[in-house]
Amino acid sequence: DGGITQSPKYLFRKEGQNVTLSCEQNLNHDAMYWYRQDPGQGLRLIYYSQIVNDFQKGDIAEGYSVSREKKESFPLTVTSAQKNPTAFYLCASSGGTSGTPSTDTQYFGPGTRLTVL
Amino acid sequence: AQSVAQPEDQVNVAEGNPLTVKCTYSVSGNPYLFWYVQYPNRGLQFLLKYITGDNLVKGSYGFEAEFNKSQTSFHLKKPSALVSDSALYFCAVRGNAGNNRKLIWGLGTSLAVNP
Repeated sequence: DGGITQSPKYLFRKEGQNVTLSCEQNLNHDAMYWYRQDPGQGLRLIYYSQIVNDFQKGDIAEGYSVSREKKESFPLTVTSAQKNPTAFYLCASSGGTSGTPSTDTQYFGPGTRLTVL
Repeated sequence: AQSVAQPEDQVNVAEGNPLTVKCTYSVSGNPYLFWYVQYPNRGLQFLLKYITGDNLVKGSYGFEAEFNKSQTSFHLKKPSALVSDSALYFCAVRGNAGNNRKLIWGLGTSLAVNP
C-alpha cells in the first residue's frame, strides 16, 4: 500500500448523514484519485486532482465532493445525495515532480469500506 | 472510445501449472498498459506496466506480461502458479494523448490457484 493512508478502515453511516473519508500520501505525488469499487463492476472514478487547488469530476461524481487544499491530502465527502453509498472506496496517487504524466503508475491506499445502516 | 476487456471473470489453475489472465484493449495512439493485483479487502498493488520497448515486461512476484500490438492484447502470465497468487487481477490502459492521467480499468479477473 506504499505511502498512502486511508482512514477509517470501516465506516458506518446513517441515512441522511454526510461522511468524510480521509486520504493522505507522503510520496510527493501531484495527482490523486478517488475510486469506488462494487462487486463485479471493477473500479469507477469519482473525482481526480492533478494539482493542488484543482480537481475534476470522474465518471460517477454525483453525490460526492472533494477538496485539494494540500498536496498530501485529498478528502472525499459522501453526501446524503448519494443514494447508494455502500461500497469499498479506494484512493490513489501518481506522478512525482519529474514524472511523465501519461506514464505514471497509480499507487493505492488500503481502502475504506463504507456501509449505510 | 478507450476501453479494456478482461474476457474471463474467473480463471482456475492447479498449483505449479502456468497461468494466463487475458486483457485486450482499444485506445487511440500508443497504449500505456498496467496490471494490478488485489487481495481481499485490500487496496490494489501494482504488478507491472508496458510503456515502450521490449514487448515482454517482467514485474513483481514472478509475473510477466506480453504486449501484442497486432492483437491489441496484454496478457498476464506466470510460469508456475502458487496458491498465494489467488486474488483479483485488474488490467488498465491509458492513451498517450494530452496530459490526462486517467486510467481505463477492466472489470477484473478472479484467479483461483488450487493446491
